[in-house]
Formats: sequence, structure tokens, C-alpha cells
Amino acid sequence: NAGVTQTPKFRILKIGQSMTLQCTQDMNHNYMYWYRQDPGMGLKLIYYSVGAGITDKGEVPNGYNVSRSTTEDFPLRLELAAPSQTSVYFCASSYEAGGYEQYFGPGTRLTVT
Amino acid sequence: DAKTTQPTSMDCAEGRAANLPCNHSTISGNEYVYWYRQIHSQGPQYIIHGLKNNETNEMASLIITEDRKSSTLILPHATLRDTAVYYCIAPSGNTGKLIFGQGTTLQVKP
Repeated sequence: NAGVTQTPKFRILKIGQSMTLQCTQDMNHNYMYWYRQDPGMGLKLIYYSVGAGITDKGEVPNGYNVSRSTTEDFPLRLELAAPSQTSVYFCASSYEAGGYEQYFGPGTRLTVT
Repeated sequence: DAKTTQPTSMDCAEGRAANLPCNHSTISGNEYVYWYRQIHSQGPQYIIHGLKNNETNEMASLIITEDRKSSTLILPHATLRDTAVYYCIAPSGNTGKLIFGQGTTLQVKP
């Protein structure tokens, strides 16, 4: 198993540009999550999904969109990038919610200038 | 989600046990306690979780008080590679959402 994979590893965007951060898991997990981590801070939940076709907002959803058309993939879309979205983005997945650990990807480091 | 409280930082000598405390006085009966760690800028790594009973795996032990209001993560023989930020989290049982606080920065010293 590759686990949770994220692409790209690094990206520099100009203000106002858009991009999609890709996340794929091969563990047949139902739950998937997107977090962001600003320097020196803990992770904050952006969006999550409890299964294909079902998504919901986390703590900091503004400026982002997600979709979950398959069990494996959970892309995060940034529209009109802003400097405040400069962060490291982590995708995670788990089989179920209670009693199961989350597996994290290696992260995408995004800079918006 | 139950709020958790951890010390900001701790030091431990290499080879000694590291005991990391966590308070979660508002935890509900069906909420697990999870421990994750983050080494430098890598993705968080799962360590262990428990509900009521003490738990042990190849990485660590988790001691949960009988009233479930606090717990302690024990790394039995800390190494330099255990230097990391350790997060104690009690996520919602329905969604599994993890609410990360500041965690405890553990520095293992030679």
C-alpha cells in the first residue's frame, strides 16, 4: 500500500491564481480529511468527507472547495489564492471515525505571493 | 470534541522514560483519547489511542485514569528520534475530526 499520497509537494502561486491539491488513498478508507498548518501552529481542519459524495466543512473552510466522487480521491480546490493561504496542507484518511487512527500524507507546501 | 490541555514543552534524557501528561476533563463516555506526534514538518504520525483501559503497542503505552479526565503517554526508552511535538486529542466519535492544540514539544537530550 502506498497509503496517502499528495501532489504536488511544493507549489508557488500568485495572488488570484487557482489550483487543485490532489490526495489519494489506497486503503479503502471511508473518511478523508484536509488540514492546514501555519508556521508554529497546530493543524486546522478545512473540510472532511465521510464517504463518496458526502463532504462537510471543518474549522477553516473559507476560500476552499472539495469534492469526493470516488472513495480513493479527495481533491482540495483553492480559488483566487490569497497570501493568507500560504501554509502546509495535509490530507488524511481513516477507515471509520471512532476508534480508528488517521493516516496522514506527506503534505503540500504552498506559498502565495 | 473534548478540550485537551498539555504542557507546552518537556525535556527528557536519552534512554529514560518520557511521560507526557494530558488533561481532558470534559471527555464524554464514547470519546477516545488519541496521541499523535509530528516530527519537524512531516505529516502527523499516529502513536496510540484508548477509551477506558490502558493500552500498549510497539511505540508507547497509554495510561488513562479511572475517571477518564486525564491520561499519560509513556515512551519507555526515549531516543533522539523521539524529539517531536506530541498531540493529545479527543475527537468527536461521529466524524473523527481531529482538533489539534499546541501540543507538547518533547526534546530528548543526549
